[in-house]
Amino acid sequence: EAGVAQSPRYKIIEKRQSVAFWCNPISGHATLYWYQQILGQGPKLLIQFQNNGVVDDSQLPKDRFSAERLKGVDSTLKIQPAKLEDSAVYLCASSPPGGDRRFGSGTRLTVV
Amino acid sequence: GQQLNQSPQSMFIQEGEDVSMNCTSSSIFNTWLWYKQDPGEGPVLLIALYKAGELTSNGRLTAQFGITRKDSFLNISASIPSDVGIYFCAGQLGTGTASKLTFGTGTRLQVTL
Repeated sequence: EAGVAQSPRYKIIEKRQSVAFWCNPISGHATLYWYQQILGQGPKLLIQFQNNGVVDDSQLPKDRFSAERLKGVDSTLKIQPAKLEDSAVYLCASSPPGGDRRFGSGTRLTVV
Repeated sequence: GQQLNQSPQSMFIQEGEDVSMNCTSSSIFNTWLWYKQDPGEGPVLLIALYKAGELTSNGRLTAQFGITRKDSFLNISASIPSDVGIYFCAGQLGTGTASKLTFGTGTRLQVTL
């Protein structure tokens, strides 16, 4: 079984620039999550999708972050404009109905 | 957002030693999970606990769901070099799609030969 795929693995941008991350979940996993993991902390949920609908985006800074999962499979997370404090690892996870979350390897973002 | 408190924050042990770490919360949870994260990778689920007082083993790992439902413990016996990594606890409320996971601050484990 292929795991959760994320790209790119690393990204360095200047503050105020835009950036986008891509996630391809495990086949058949209807639920998709984006987490932000700041260095030295545990992952924090940004947004959760069930198929192509948003279940929870209460922790998403909507003034600069957006996410979509148009066809209920792949998802993109965008930051526009980026701030220094957005430097973190962005983890995508997916889960089957009633099952456990499986995490991707993440995208490490550095904002300079 | 809330993060659960884990202790110790980091530990250096010798190969073959046993390891204990714990996780505490001010809120109750109905499920406790323990994950391991290797450098450059996402967290991987090690053990899941579903009932207060439950003691569950997975190989050399043993975890317990605290009676108060506000804490959990993870023990690793006879540590080996590949145990190196960051261990996260996570408390879960709700089930299925509605479940919400809150992660701990992590315990970094280093094993010396």
